[in-house]
Formats: sequence, C-alpha cells, structure tokens
Amino acid sequence: SQELEQSPQSLIVQEGKNLTINCTSSKTLYGLYWYKQKYGEGLIFLMMLQKGGEEKSHEKITAKLDEKKQQSSLHITASQPSHAGIYLCGADAGGTSYGKLTFGQGTILTVHP
Amino acid sequence: DAGVIQSPRHEVTEMGQEVTLRCKPISGHDYLFWYRQTMMRGLELLIYFNNNVPIDDSGMPEDRFSAKMPNASFSTLKIQPSEPRDSAVYFCASSLGPRGQPQHFGDGTRLSIL
Repeated sequence: SQELEQSPQSLIVQEGKNLTINCTSSKTLYGLYWYKQKYGEGLIFLMMLQKGGEEKSHEKITAKLDEKKQQSSLHITASQPSHAGIYLCGADAGGTSYGKLTFGQGTILTVHP
Repeated sequence: DAGVIQSPRHEVTEMGQEVTLRCKPISGHDYLFWYRQTMMRGLELLIYFNNNVPIDDSGMPEDRFSAKMPNASFSTLKIQPSEPRDSAVYFCASSLGPRGQPQHFGDGTRLSIL
C-alpha cells in the first residue's frame, strides 16, 4: 500500500518568515492533494497536482510536484498567523483504486505574531 | 453553496450503545467517503460510495461498523455495539469524481465512547 511521509512533523515560525513542508511517497503519485485543517474543523482543500513538474500557487502558498512524481512540497511565503494549522497531503494510489486517498500524518504549523 | 453537512458535531455515549453518524454530501457529487481520524493512526478511509453504491469497504475496521447510502443526499455510518477504541473524529467527504477531483470534507463528528 502507498505510504506518505510528511516533514517536518511540526514547525514553529515567526510571522513573515518563509517555510516549506514536504510530502514524500513510497510509490509514484497519480494525484497529490494538499489540505489544511484547523483544530475541531474539517479539511480545507488547498491545491491538487497531477503532472510531474507541475506547480500551482494561490495567494502566498505554492505547491510543487517533482518530475518523478514521488515528492511534493508546499511553500508559504511571508507567513501570517492565519496560516497556522495542520497541513496534510493526500495521494491517489493509482491503478484500480479509484477515489482512494492515502494521507500523510500531517504537519502542525504555528506562526508567532 | 452548502458544503458537506455532518451531524451530530459531538457525540458522547457509553460503551455498548449504538451510534449513528449522518452525512449530507454536496449536491451533484457522485462520490461519498467516510474517514476516521485519530492521533495514533491519522486519517484513514473507511468506505466510499459511487452513485449510492458501496465501492470499497476494505477500511471498515470490523463487523460492528456499517455504512449505508439510501439516496444521493444522505449517508449514515453506524457502530453497534460501540467500544472505547472507536473514539475518534469521523469525517464525511464528497467529490464530483474519483480521480482528478478534490474531496470536500465536512466538519466531522467528534465521537467519545466512555
């Protein structure tokens, strides 16, 4: 089965700093989804990547999928307290496992004002 | 537009009782997913439906768990009898398609079994 490893497990930064969260897969990624979760709430969809080398941005968040499609990174520029939360990557296992997403364990981001 | 709606938001009950969690997917979404989130195991897929039909229930932990989708706008996840180890946050999600479409999550049901 596919496993996703996120690093770091937790991150504490000062407001205004840049940061990067990584998501590494044991198998080729056929689709990679980034979500943000606040405590006590559901997951909010951020971005989806499907092609090797693909990069997408929304406001100050940029996500990339490497050419080999086994690693993705999420980069936040000039972090703000509103960016705080748990970031999870989810991956499509491919093949006949339509719709099944495997999730990483999450990265807890704290942003100090 | 209304998102995925789950009820109840919190449930506290005693061991052995039946628990029913409810979900209303986003209108027009053909896929519905049930997940469980715990500190130890993270977010795990339990079962998912396509057009109200269960497609993969390999994540359902045991026979005490059952899920139904009687129509396109309603699904239930039932635990009978409940055990303390079932305590977790249960999420429902829906999507337009199985691949290349993001899953949209509800706010979850926080379940505590005493």
